[in-house]
Amino acid sequence: EAGVVQSPRYKIIEKKQPVAFWCNPISGHNTLYWYRQNLGQGPELLIRYENEEAVDDSQLPKDRFSAERLKGVDSTLKIQPAELGDSAVYLCASRAGTSTDTQYFGPGTRLTVL
Amino acid sequence: AQSVTQLGSHVSVSEGALVLLRCNYSSSVPPYLFWYVQYPNQGLQLLLKYTSAATLVKGINGFEAEFKKSETSFHLTKPSAHMSDAAEYFCAVSGGSNYQLIWGAGTKLIIKP
Repeated sequence: EAGVVQSPRYKIIEKKQPVAFWCNPISGHNTLYWYRQNLGQGPELLIRYENEEAVDDSQLPKDRFSAERLKGVDSTLKIQPAELGDSAVYLCASRAGTSTDTQYFGPGTRLTVL
Repeated sequence: AQSVTQLGSHVSVSEGALVLLRCNYSSSVPPYLFWYVQYPNQGLQLLLKYTSAATLVKGINGFEAEFKKSETSFHLTKPSAHMSDAAEYFCAVSGGSNYQLIWGAGTKLIIKP
């Protein structure tokens, strides 16, 4: 079974440029998460989807961040425009069923904003 | 509100020695508790989880953790460290209506030869 796929793995951009990250969850997983992980810290939830519905986006900085999960499968997270402080690893995770089920993580996208 | 505290941002042990990584949590509801491991440039991988069954939970790679409600702790142990255990370890708690995971800051495990 394929795991959570993310691309690109690394991205270097200049500030004020747009950037997008893509995630394909494990097949059949209805719940999808986007996290941001700063160096030396644990992940911070940005947004959670149940199928195609964003059910928890309270931590998403909506002035510059947007996300979508059309058709309830893969998802895209966008930043426009990027700021220096957005440099971090962006992790995608998916979960199958009940709330105690394991979250499976992708390898992440390491974003560097210059 | 829930929170997780991991004591020690770095823990160094000799190969073959006992590994003990500490995690304390606060939760107003019965918690679910998780330990994840992150190897360099990789995503997070589940080591083990506590979901209100047995208080001693065994995970992968020889790790185990014991849920102690009276101490609000969920410490991770391994009897004998191996070089391949060098990684960062994260404790997380979930509970409440949306079961969002709240993460600790992580502990980097260093194995000395």
